Parts: sequence; C-alpha cells; structure tokens
Amino acid sequence: AQKVTQAQTEISVVEKEDVTLDCVYETRDTTYYLFWYKQPPSGELVFLIRRNSFDEQNEISGRYSWNFQKSTSSFNFTITASQVVDSAVYFCALSEPIDYNQGGKLIFGQGTELSVKP
Amino acid sequence: GAGVSQSPSNKVTEKGKDVELRCDPISGHTALYWYRQSLGQGLEFLIYFQGNSAPDKSGLPSDRFSAERTGGSVSTLTIQRTQQEDSAVYLCASSEYNEQFFGPGTRLTVL
Repeated sequence: AQKVTQAQTEISVVEKEDVTLDCVYETRDTTYYLFWYKQPPSGELVFLIRRNSFDEQNEISGRYSWNFQKSTSSFNFTITASQVVDSAVYFCALSEPIDYNQGGKLIFGQGTELSVKP
Repeated sequence: GAGVSQSPSNKVTEKGKDVELRCDPISGHTALYWYRQSLGQGLEFLIYFQGNSAPDKSGLPSDRFSAERTGGSVSTLTIQRTQQEDSAVYLCASSEYNEQFFGPGTRLTVL
C-alpha cells in the first residue's frame, strides 16, 4: 500500500532561520512520482516540485531545496533563510504513473504547518 | 491562462439534501481529479477521470457520492442525502502530464 508520512505536524521558526520539512513514503512500485505542495492561508494548493523515482539528484530553486533519498524513502524539503510569507501548510505527496506521460491519484501526507515569525 | 475554477466557492446545505459541485479544468487537460480536505482525514482522493477511460472511483466514500465529466471537460461531483460528516473542502485538480493543478475548492457545510 502507498503511504506518505509527515511526522512534523507543526513547526515554528523565526525569520531567517533554515527549516527542513520531513517526508517519508512507502510504495511497492519501482516507478513513482513525489511532490511537494504549499497551501497558504488563502487555501489554494500550489505546486512546488515533482520528482520521479529515477532521478535522485537534489534540486535547488532559490531558497527552496529538496533532498530525495531512495535508500531511506525520504523526500525532504528545506527552506533557507525563511520568511514570513513562507508560513503555510506544506504537503508531500506520492503518485504512481498511469502510463509514461500521465500521473495517477495523489496520496498526501498529513501536512506540516510552518509558522515563520518576524 | 485560466486556472482550474470551481463553483460555488461556499455551499451551506441541510442534512439530507443533495448538492452538486462544479469543476472547470484547465483547457486541454485530459485528466481531472476530485479530492476532499477535512480536518480529521486530511487530503483524500475521491475520483479520477482520464480521457475516455472509465473513471477510477476507488476513493469515493459511499454510494451517495458520484461524479460525471461531460465532453472531457467540465465535471460535476454530486453528493446525495448529505450528512454532517460530508462537511469539507472539495478540491478539483487537472493535469496534462504529471503535475496536478488545483482549483480554489468548494467549502461544503452540512448543517
């Protein structure tokens, strides 16, 4: 069965601190996709990143970086020099592709609520 | 271009009534998904449409829930005989490949 675990329910940091959000997943499939979404107080889910199971290269986008480790089934997300605008709920998700081009349903973790205080 | 839109944004109904929630996906997206977000259950998959294939209904919680997608575009999620536990935010997403883009959701409150 597929499962995504975000053990951190809430994290509170002070602006400019670095913060890492943990994500651990379970799947029996060899081909799968991992995602991170941000849900700000406005409520809309915003896509941040997709990573496929064959690409373990870490990715950096501005202050955001992601560390994918198949050996530990983890896909952690780090925000460097956090800002108040980063306050949101962050969801990690897993999907199995239906075919080469199309992804299937997302299995979400429970989310981590990040609060960045000035 | 326009994103995924959903209507209504809020719906308050009485227990036992039927409700219909609408989703307009991004033009050209072949896949459409419905999810539900509630306090106790987090984000749950409900149903998935892909082109002309039979929908994946494996996430629907009961037979009171159904969904249609007409002409490969607009989708309607129908909940019959609503119960208080149906109160949640219902989210629609569409995708062309592997990135799902979400709409703003419909907040359903069943009194």
